[in-house]
Amino acid sequence: RKEVEQDPGPFNVPEGATVAFNCTYSNSASQSFFWYRQDCRKEPKLLMSVYSSGNEDGRFTAQLNRASQYISLLIRDSKLSDSATYLCVVNRRGGSYIPTFGRGTSLIVHP
Amino acid sequence: EPEVTQTPSHQVTQMGQEVILRCVPISNHLYFYWYRQILGQKVEFLVSFYNNEISEKSEIFDDQFSVERPDGSNFTLKIRSTKLEDSAMYFCASSDPTVAEAFFGQGTRLTVV
Repeated sequence: RKEVEQDPGPFNVPEGATVAFNCTYSNSASQSFFWYRQDCRKEPKLLMSVYSSGNEDGRFTAQLNRASQYISLLIRDSKLSDSATYLCVVNRRGGSYIPTFGRGTSLIVHP
Repeated sequence: EPEVTQTPSHQVTQMGQEVILRCVPISNHLYFYWYRQILGQKVEFLVSFYNNEISEKSEIFDDQFSVERPDGSNFTLKIRSTKLEDSAMYFCASSDPTVAEAFFGQGTRLTVV
């Protein structure tokens, strides 16, 4: 089983749509969870941390279910500028905590 | 806002040559990482570095690779005897503490010809 699994997509949605991405992780000792955004040929940039209580930042909502080892990201009212790859990142426990990436989910928002 | 900086942004090298990729992590961070991303593929962990030594490395990080923190600010990745399949984006990252989010540099695009 892969350490961090994501549906690669692409998700092709119209402006204004709501879209949800999911991610599962295999290491139950993982400590921290994040969503990053990556534009084409650019570095990953932190979008938001993910907490068990759930957290929201504007149009973005992230949820963590530790029992199911499942993380989600919801984007409401999609904008053209949201088009990017969304990376699920888990600080999994090895010798230390290592940020470990999923393959990423591609989002395309069209007019 | 503090940021991770990497140089060069693009490096072209001939197969068999050695390259050194350079990074300046965020100044108060203690944990440093190198990742690579082959075009169209996922971001892959190479190595982590803490307290002037490697704390963990992946299977990719074989004897061809080495890391160093030569002074108080720079963090380097050396690739000896480069191969065509080493062509990728190489990202440096730093964090503090280790459970916190990692911040990434803009990457070095390595092209081996």
